Amino acid sequence: GENVEQHPSTLSVQEGDSAVIKCTYSDSASNYFPWYKQELGKRPQLIIDIRSNVGEKKDQRIAVTLNKTAKHFSLHITETQPEDSAVYFCAASSDAGGTSYGKLTFGQGTILTVHP
Amino acid sequence: SAVISQKPSRDICQRGTSLTIQCQVDSQVTMMFWYRQQPGQSLTLIATANQGSEATYESGFVIDKFPISRPNLTFSTLTVSNLSPEDSSIYLCSVWTGQTYEQYFGPGTRLTVT
Repeated sequence: GENVEQHPSTLSVQEGDSAVIKCTYSDSASNYFPWYKQELGKRPQLIIDIRSNVGEKKDQRIAVTLNKTAKHFSLHITETQPEDSAVYFCAASSDAGGTSYGKLTFGQGTILTVHP
Repeated sequence: SAVISQKPSRDICQRGTSLTIQCQVDSQVTMMFWYRQQPGQSLTLIATANQGSEATYESGFVIDKFPISRPNLTFSTLTVSNLSPEDSSIYLCSVWTGQTYEQYFGPGTRLTVT
């Protein structure tokens, strides 16, 4: 089955700096890679996702890059703000005939702390 | 995005009893899932709740321990049976929206077993 490794486990940055979180996956059939933000006591919130037919996707201060050859993808947050502090999870899944979307394998999570 | 609700939001249960968690979605969805998040950990898929047929369980999860029902396209239940303290976790319902090709999570049910 799929295995997703996520690094670092904790990340501390100053407000305004950039933050980068990296994930690697094992199953070359994986083609959907979402990122979730989870604040304490809250549900995971989808913040951005990427599919294997593109290499990069941006949404304001957040971007995700995908390298299919190396089987890794990264989350980039620019101009970080204290409200970006949360746990971030990467995930991967494959669409095996259109029936496997939703069966996500998650990374271990990264605790991001943005200091004012 | 789909609006997902879960009941109960939290519960404290005695060892050996069972808890049934309900998940309601505001629109019809093809695919519903149940995940578990143990304290301070990541999320792990328990099973896919199939409408009109038996759920599909992931490795390490069995129907006797986690029976699931999915009577229609907007509702599912997960029962955690014969509770032990190791079952203390957050259980999350999740849906895949075919229209937007995105996946969303319910607010979760925090289970504590004493």
